[in-house]
Amino acid sequence: ETGVTQSPTHLIKTRGQQVTLRCSSQSGHNTVSWYQQALGQGPQFIFQYYREEENGRGNFPPRFSGLQFPNYSSELNVNALELDDSALYLCASRETGGRNYGYTFGSGTRLTVV
Amino acid sequence: QQQVKQSPQSLIVQKGGIPIINCAYENTAFDYFPWYQQFPGKGPALLIAIRPDVSEKKEGRFTISFNKSAKQFSLHIMDSQPGDSATYFCAASSGNQFYFGTGTSLTVIP
Repeated sequence: ETGVTQSPTHLIKTRGQQVTLRCSSQSGHNTVSWYQQALGQGPQFIFQYYREEENGRGNFPPRFSGLQFPNYSSELNVNALELDDSALYLCASRETGGRNYGYTFGSGTRLTVV
Repeated sequence: QQQVKQSPQSLIVQKGGIPIINCAYENTAFDYFPWYQQFPGKGPALLIAIRPDVSEKKEGRFTISFNKSAKQFSLHIMDSQPGDSATYFCAASSGNQFYFGTGTSLTVIP
């Protein structure tokens, strides 16, 4: 049973629109990362937040932005949606400094851009 | 550029067989190598992970073999079961970012 919850599970948007995806992490998980997983591919790192500050970013344009809140929730915002943004978006969290270095992933939000 | 190369892309084994999935990396700064299992419609779930100071790690039916000099690591699934049918991803990390392989779709035939 995953401790990371994502919403919504599915979403359809039109090209050019903006979208906000949400994630609720496990209590105590102060590090959250967002990944994009295209069909048949491995997850690609978008960015990471630690204590509400971005502290790592992959090869994604600035129209991908995020927020992390003190209550262990976070958001991924994507502006000016493009057809290639259609993918599964995964939120993953962990407790920095904890014994378990691995991330716990949510089940993802399936975004379709038409 | 793919930081972690994974093979094979797909694998079919009989129940009880030992599927082996291989990964290779180039960046010697990587210091954490996890394997994830993903079922359709679900996010990846951490199976087992290894650090480069050991050559092998076992957890239940899952074993990671790690060859630091060759910059390769592999996942072995002992006594595979139909319930193991899923997509498996290797990953490598140094600090904040995880780099994932392209995945291996495993089918275990009853």
